[in-house]
Amino acid sequence: ETGVTQSPTHLIKTRGQQVTLRCSSQSGHNTVSWYQQALGQGPQFIFQYYREEENGRGNFPPRFSGLQFPNYSSELNVNALELDDSALYLCATQGATSTDTQYFGPGTRLTVL
Amino acid sequence: AQKITQTQPGMFVQEKEAVTLDCTYDTSDQSYGLFWYKQPSSGEMIFLIYQGSYDEQNATEGRYSLNFQKARKSANLVISASQLGDSAMYFCAMREGQRTYKYIFGTGTRLKVLA
Repeated sequence: ETGVTQSPTHLIKTRGQQVTLRCSSQSGHNTVSWYQQALGQGPQFIFQYYREEENGRGNFPPRFSGLQFPNYSSELNVNALELDDSALYLCATQGATSTDTQYFGPGTRLTVL
Repeated sequence: AQKITQTQPGMFVQEKEAVTLDCTYDTSDQSYGLFWYKQPSSGEMIFLIYQGSYDEQNATEGRYSLNFQKARKSANLVISASQLGDSAMYFCAMREGQRTYKYIFGTGTRLKVLA
């Protein structure tokens, strides 16, 4: 058990809808990263938040956005859902230093119909 | 650009035997970190082992060891005394950058342990 939780576990949406995924950080971890893992692939970095500010972004369009809250929990929002957004979404938290290991939550499996 | 390559899509190993999962990486950074994660069918990424680029000793964690060959840019995972519960996807990852702590993942190796 990493102490990182995500909700919901599974989600089904239709094309064009909006979705919000949530992640609760492990105690003491102030950095959260979000990854998208398509079927049969490795996770791809979406973005990272450090102390409520975006701290880097991968090659994802602006309809992928995020928030981090004062308690370091986080949200991933995706607007105008597309079929290709169907994937496992993983959040990972880590402590304050760059050498800290990222610990992952169980993921949210999103299906877009 | 940084890159992780895992050339073995799938591997089989007999229970109680050792297995090596290959990982090569490409980076121009002098300081970097290498990780191995296990992903069972449930989906959660489980951290197994870490190797820093300046670490002189190969990392070990229980039955897991990392065979780090810096000149060859390889970071192979060795699992000793395989167990049925080791059947899963295994991902090699590299930490990129000093400010944004993002990880780059390989495509993974599916390991099946045979009874």
